[in-house]
Amino acid sequence: NAGVMQNPRHLVRRRGQEARLRCSPMKGHSHVYWYRQLPEEGLKFMVYLQKENIIDESGMPKERFSAEFPKEGPSILRIQQVVRGDSAAYFCASSLTGSTNSPLHFGNGTRLTVT
Amino acid sequence: AQTVTQSQPEMSVQEAETVTLSCTYDTSESNYYLFWYKQPPSRQMILVIRQEAYKQQNATENRFSVNFQKAAKSFSLKISDSQLGDTAMYFCAFMKEYGGSQGNLIFGKGTKLSVKP
Repeated sequence: NAGVMQNPRHLVRRRGQEARLRCSPMKGHSHVYWYRQLPEEGLKFMVYLQKENIIDESGMPKERFSAEFPKEGPSILRIQQVVRGDSAAYFCASSLTGSTNSPLHFGNGTRLTVT
Repeated sequence: AQTVTQSQPEMSVQEAETVTLSCTYDTSESNYYLFWYKQPPSRQMILVIRQEAYKQQNATENRFSVNFQKAAKSFSLKISDSQLGDTAMYFCAFMKEYGGSQGNLIFGKGTKLSVKP
């Protein structure tokens, strides 16, 4: 039973390019969460999605960042016109339901480096 | 707004000994959950232990246990019989409950634990 799969593991982009980060949740999980970890920091919540719906995007920057979780396929975190400050590790987590009894399972993260 | 504070950026312990990692939090919520996550060099976030705020009994998972002091808003992690594989960053996290649904996790900045042979 595969865990949460994130790809790519490492991504290098030049300033101004677009970054697309993919997350395949655990089998059967329909709730996906994205977190960002800056160097020497804990993870910070960005967005919570349930199939085709954004439930909570209170942690998403207002510009350049978007997320989706389509009916078919992985969840995508998209960062347009990347800047150096976007360099971070981006983690995806999934849960079976959205209830408090359904633990989060994290992926190994995607490390984005903006040059 | 909720905050989570880990006041120990780094700690070290000898193999087989016991170490305690500190965590305090601030919230006005009555229903919430507290977690400790481990992040080894592989970067994966691994759940170590979880505590429901309404439960007075401290959670335990094998060599890992917590000291949950609700009034003091303190949630420390004790690792007994430390092993080399326990070397990792440890993050304390808070989550409030929305009528049975989980909200987002709020993490502290982490404590880097080194277990020495």
